[in-house]
Amino acid sequence: ETGVTQTPRHLVMGMTNKKSLKCEQHLGHNAMYWYKQSAKKPLELMFVYSLEERVENNSVPSRFSPECPNSSHLFLHLHTLQPEDSALYLCASSQIAGGGANVLTFGAGSRLTVL
Amino acid sequence: QKEVEQNSGPLSVPEGAIASLNCTYSDRVSQSFFWYRQYSGKSPELIMSIYSNGDKEDGRFTAQLNKASQYVSLLIRDSQPSDSATYLCAFVFAAGNNRKLIWGLGTSLAVNP
Repeated sequence: ETGVTQTPRHLVMGMTNKKSLKCEQHLGHNAMYWYKQSAKKPLELMFVYSLEERVENNSVPSRFSPECPNSSHLFLHLHTLQPEDSALYLCASSQIAGGGANVLTFGAGSRLTVL
Repeated sequence: QKEVEQNSGPLSVPEGAIASLNCTYSDRVSQSFFWYRQYSGKSPELIMSIYSNGDKEDGRFTAQLNKASQYVSLLIRDSQPSDSATYLCAFVFAAGNNRKLIWGLGTSLAVNP
């Protein structure tokens, strides 16, 4: 496995379900990110983990709960979602030092549909 | 509010022509600018970064930065149908020790054979 791997690629869930998105990076990076991509909107940064510590949470609703057990793995736990949460959720990783902090490698994304 | 503005397109060019993609940004002190390409149904991938005024060339791609005008562009020479994608412009907004990427909506490019 190389790069950034996300599973599942597609997820359909009801508003009362609990599910999780998984991300794994094989690049030796030490920062990981969750982004939300919706139609007609710019990429929205949701969470940033640097050295496994959450450093940024952009006022994301509590129905989204991230977890970063180590520098290679990142999860996004979902519960009681709303239909407007339907979107493409992208995981990314980078190095935190110097200019590398801004050079992101993205996973293929998890397309989420909330019914 | 820091933001990036891009023409959403679609920008349509014939194969072999030069495609010109433009982006303006609101943060005067930003030093780092990026172009990402996103194919339909795929994730963004970095194609160019530029940090200094002027031109930076990489193969068929040239990024141009004008900090005084707060303007960055991407030129694609000898456009190919495989260049058809959405191109996202982004810049780094730094506030103290906090640095984040600010993204544009993207410009859709269609290269017609």
